[in-house]
Amino acid sequence: QKEVEQDPGPLSVPEGAIVSLNCTYSNSAFQYFMWYRQYSRKGPELLMYTYSSGNKEDGRFTAQVDKSSKYISLFIRDSQPSDSATYLCAMDYGGSQGNLIFGKGTKLSVKP
Amino acid sequence: DTAVSQTPKYLVTQMGNDKSIKCEQNLGHDTMYWYKQDSKKFLKIMFSYNNKELIINETVPNRFSPKSPDKAHLNLHINSLELGDSAVYFCASSPGTSTYEQYFGPGTRLTVT
Repeated sequence: QKEVEQDPGPLSVPEGAIVSLNCTYSNSAFQYFMWYRQYSRKGPELLMYTYSSGNKEDGRFTAQVDKSSKYISLFIRDSQPSDSATYLCAMDYGGSQGNLIFGKGTKLSVKP
Repeated sequence: DTAVSQTPKYLVTQMGNDKSIKCEQNLGHDTMYWYKQDSKKFLKIMFSYNNKELIINETVPNRFSPKSPDKAHLNLHINSLELGDSAVYFCASSPGTSTYEQYFGPGTRLTVT
């Protein structure tokens, strides 16, 4: 079983839709949970990070972590064509090593 | 101002050659990283480095070596390039002990022919 599983999509939604992106993981030692957005031929851009379980909101983006289920989600409200990108979840044990474990990414397309 | 920059953006070279990719960050961060993103878009860490410690992913061939002239720079040197080294290489940095908060450069697309 891979440490981090993420459905690669592609996921296509109409503009204005609510998007739900998800990852599951197997290692309960993960402490930090991140979402990155990667536009085509660009570097990943940190959207949000969450420590342990709970919700975190930033504008149209909400990240949820359920450690008991080993499941994390990113919700995008009122999706825009500019949200079209690949979304990568990443996880970290904490500590000084900084060894992020990435999911394979979900490719999202928001149609005008 | 670009926070994390890499040069070159594209690199095409032949098997057996030695090449370097440069990375610079102007964020004042303490830790820098190199990642490899393969053709299936899977992003995997190669190295993490600060002025105290180099951590090498054990799966990285010893043909790859990071070199840091100072805190703001972490270059990647690759010896005896192989076809399988073709990928996009990303540099990243993070502040202090916040290693979960990493900021990535734009990537270097390496093609080995």
